[in-house]
Amino acid sequence: DAGVIQSPRHEVTEMGQEVTLRCKPISGHDYLFWYRQTMMRGLELLIYFNNNVPIDDSGMPEDRFSAKMPNASFSTLKIQPSEPRDSAVYFCASSLGRFSGNTIYFGEGSWLTVV
Amino acid sequence: SQKIEQNSEALNIQEGKTATLTCNYTNYSPAYLQWYRQDPGRGPVFLLLIRENEKEKRKERLKVTFDTTLKQSLFHITASQPADSATYLCALEKTSYDKVIFGPGTSLSVIP
Repeated sequence: DAGVIQSPRHEVTEMGQEVTLRCKPISGHDYLFWYRQTMMRGLELLIYFNNNVPIDDSGMPEDRFSAKMPNASFSTLKIQPSEPRDSAVYFCASSLGRFSGNTIYFGEGSWLTVV
Repeated sequence: SQKIEQNSEALNIQEGKTATLTCNYTNYSPAYLQWYRQDPGRGPVFLLLIRENEKEKRKERLKVTFDTTLKQSLFHITASQPADSATYLCALEKTSYDKVIFGPGTSLSVIP
């Protein structure tokens, strides 16, 4: 398997623009996670899905952030409008089965810079 | 408050020595604790998992301990090599079947 695939790998955008990050989880995995990583706050869980259904979005910072998973092989994280403080690395990850020790497989991340 | 703490400072050790990284947590009752490795510009990669009823787990040069009384896990790399240089993250479930959260990570540099 190719692993978790994210795009774009790097994005530079102007404040106020819409940003869409994309993710293809590992085939067969039923959990999908979106994390954000910054130097100040580390790796934060934004939202996770089980079988394409959002289960917990309590980590989403504000209404400017939204995530969807229209099918088992695709998810998006959208920021509209973007702000400089959204600059971070956004990781998509997936796992097989519920928590309780199941390995989380991460993509290589989408590096977002908002100027 | 609930939080996870790891070595606050970067860790520099000489090649061949044992590196010991610490993960402390408060106000959680995790059934599992995991360790991940993250290289610059890459996503975290799973290394080891230890269950609450396990005191110690080994994998090649890696060893993890888990003390639920102290609320602490130690991660050891024996006979360290420059290739072990990376950031190491601990991760745990806040409670059983709860979402996984990550510690801030410890940067390890192994000096030849």
